[in-house]
Amino acid sequence: EIVLTQSPATLSLSPGERATLSCRASQSVITYLAWYQQTPGQAPRLLIYDASNRATGIPARFSGSGAGTDFTLTISSLEPEDFGVYYCQQRGSWPYTFGQGTKLEIK
Amino acid sequence: QVRLVESGGGVVQPGRSLRLSCAASGFTFSTYGMHWVRQAPGKGLEWVAIISSEGTNEYYADSVKGRFTISRDNSKNTLYLQMNNLRTEDTAVYYCAKDLLTTVTYYFHYWGQGTLITVSS
Repeated sequence: EIVLTQSPATLSLSPGERATLSCRASQSVITYLAWYQQTPGQAPRLLIYDASNRATGIPARFSGSGAGTDFTLTISSLEPEDFGVYYCQQRGSWPYTFGQGTKLEIK
Repeated sequence: QVRLVESGGGVVQPGRSLRLSCAASGFTFSTYGMHWVRQAPGKGLEWVAIISSEGTNEYYADSVKGRFTISRDNSKNTLYLQMNNLRTEDTAVYYCAKDLLTTVTYYFHYWGQGTLITVSS
């Protein structure tokens, strides 16, 4: 089973700052990786799929990059509604798995 | 717009059964694979099961295989999860989720608000 390790566990930033979240896979997942955002009390929301494609309606401040085992989600300028927990998920190898999450909190 | 509404959650004793439902609207339900994903309290996400658009193929996480059954009724735009022989470790919020594309991708595009299952004696 592919293990996805997200770092940091917690990221404290202020609105307007740039956020960089990392997801590392224990084996290559090619570019079969997605990012999800979950705000408190809400269901997750798909942000990025296939490493770099924004899902429908996702603002351009969210971008994804990477391939193989190392992936990054970047939020160029944080808005107040961006704070929450971010998960990566791979579909490169069965069983498909999620990372443990990065909590993005307001500094 | 896409809407997914789960129901059927509650408190159940270990070893008992429960059936969840997910009512879908705002898209052509019969053309998308559908998933169940769960989240234990304070924990991360775990994919549980998928059913193909026509209901002919199902796949399960090892943790639920042989105990859970996913099904769908395309005439009612409804997804189901029959959960048997429940264990305490099945306690979680269960989300139904629509696949991203009409060809199955295992990317979860739209999610319901979830329904909480608590397995406890």
